[in-house]
Amino acid sequence: DAGVIQSPRHEVTEMGQEVTLRCKPISGHNSLFWYRQTMMRGLELLIYFNNNVPIDDSGMPEDRFSAKMPNASFSTLKIQPSEPRDSAVYFCASSSSGTSDTFGSGTRLTVV
Amino acid sequence: RKEVEQDPGPFNVPEGATVAFNCTYSNSASQSFFWYRQDCRKEPKLLMSVYSSGNEDGRFTAQLNRASQYISLLIRDSKLSDSATYLCVVNQAGTALIFGKGTTLSVSS
Repeated sequence: DAGVIQSPRHEVTEMGQEVTLRCKPISGHNSLFWYRQTMMRGLELLIYFNNNVPIDDSGMPEDRFSAKMPNASFSTLKIQPSEPRDSAVYFCASSSSGTSDTFGSGTRLTVV
Repeated sequence: RKEVEQDPGPFNVPEGATVAFNCTYSNSASQSFFWYRQDCRKEPKLLMSVYSSGNEDGRFTAQLNRASQYISLLIRDSKLSDSATYLCVVNQAGTALIFGKGTTLSVSS
């Protein structure tokens, strides 16, 4: 099992640019989560999907953030336009009924 | 009030020491409880689930007190490799996990 796969591992971009983060969940997992981690705020849930349907997006900070899950094996988190305060580590995690979340290695985003 | 609160530490202990971390949660409807471990610049990984009766996994013991909404993790005979951040996690059925900000442990020789 390859685990949860995220790309890119690192992203440095200029303020105002569009950023797209990608995630491939573990095969067979029907829930997918996007988290953001910063020193100040810790690990925060942004949005989660169940069977490809967004269930709770109350953690999405503002309209600049959007997430999609077009199929069971792929999800994206997009930030447009990006701002320096978006700099953080973004984790994707997946789970199925009866299992706890398994995290990907994360994307370290720096917006300059 | 934050949903899951932990003492951020750091806890600095010598090898062989016993160390305990505490965590409180605000939502009495929480049903599942976990401890995750996160190494520096790595992703969080499940350390152990926490059950009402308390449970042990080798040198690690987890306890849950539902009445006090309190969770603990005890590490006996600390190893250098135990140095990490320990995240207290709760959730209700059908919702996402809620993470504490973590407690940092540093074990020295």
